[in-house]
Amino acid sequence: DSGVTQTPKHLITATGQRVTLRCSPRSGDLSVYWYQQSLDQGLQFLIQYYNGEERAKGNILERFSAQQFPDLHSELNLSSLELGDSALYFCASSSRSGGLETQYFGPGTRLLVL
Amino acid sequence: AQSVTQLGSHVSVSEGALVLLRCNYSSSVPPYLFWYVQYPNQGLQLLLKYTTGATLVKGINGFEAEFKKSETSFHLTKPSAHMSDAAEYFCAVSSYSSASKIIFGSGTRLSIRP
Repeated sequence: DSGVTQTPKHLITATGQRVTLRCSPRSGDLSVYWYQQSLDQGLQFLIQYYNGEERAKGNILERFSAQQFPDLHSELNLSSLELGDSALYFCASSSRSGGLETQYFGPGTRLLVL
Repeated sequence: AQSVTQLGSHVSVSEGALVLLRCNYSSSVPPYLFWYVQYPNQGLQLLLKYTTGATLVKGINGFEAEFKKSETSFHLTKPSAHMSDAAEYFCAVSSYSSASKIIFGSGTRLSIRP
């Protein structure tokens, strides 16, 4: 158990819909990362938040957005869903020690868009 | 820019045999290197990491990896494979200057034959 929690575990929805994925980081971790894992694209970094502010952006579509709240949990919002958005979405939190940042992953949310 | 190449998307070994998963990286600055394991229907779990110092790094579950700067490699090994080692393994790279940007390889699926 990494200490990172994600809800829901599974999500089935239809094209055009909007969903929200939730992540709670490990206690004390200020950074939250979101990743998308699909068969054809592999593991892709989407976005990072640090203590409530956006820190880095990866291959995140404009239809997707995220935020980190004062209690440090984060939400990833996916809108106008397409079939190709079906994937595993991981959240990771990190701590920095001696200049090294180590990421700890949650169990993921499996999204199926029908 | 940094990148990671994992040689072999699928590796199959017999139970009790040596496991060798190959990873080569590209980095213009001293790298930090990681191996993560992903069991079916689970998130990624950190196996081991290299920062500085000793080039042979020991991780969990009997795995170890050796950082070879001259070969830009960070191959993962285990002397004797167990059935429970069947999983997907990801090599990743970051650096002190870009600690928040961890680049993952495409993954290697390890199968264990009885």
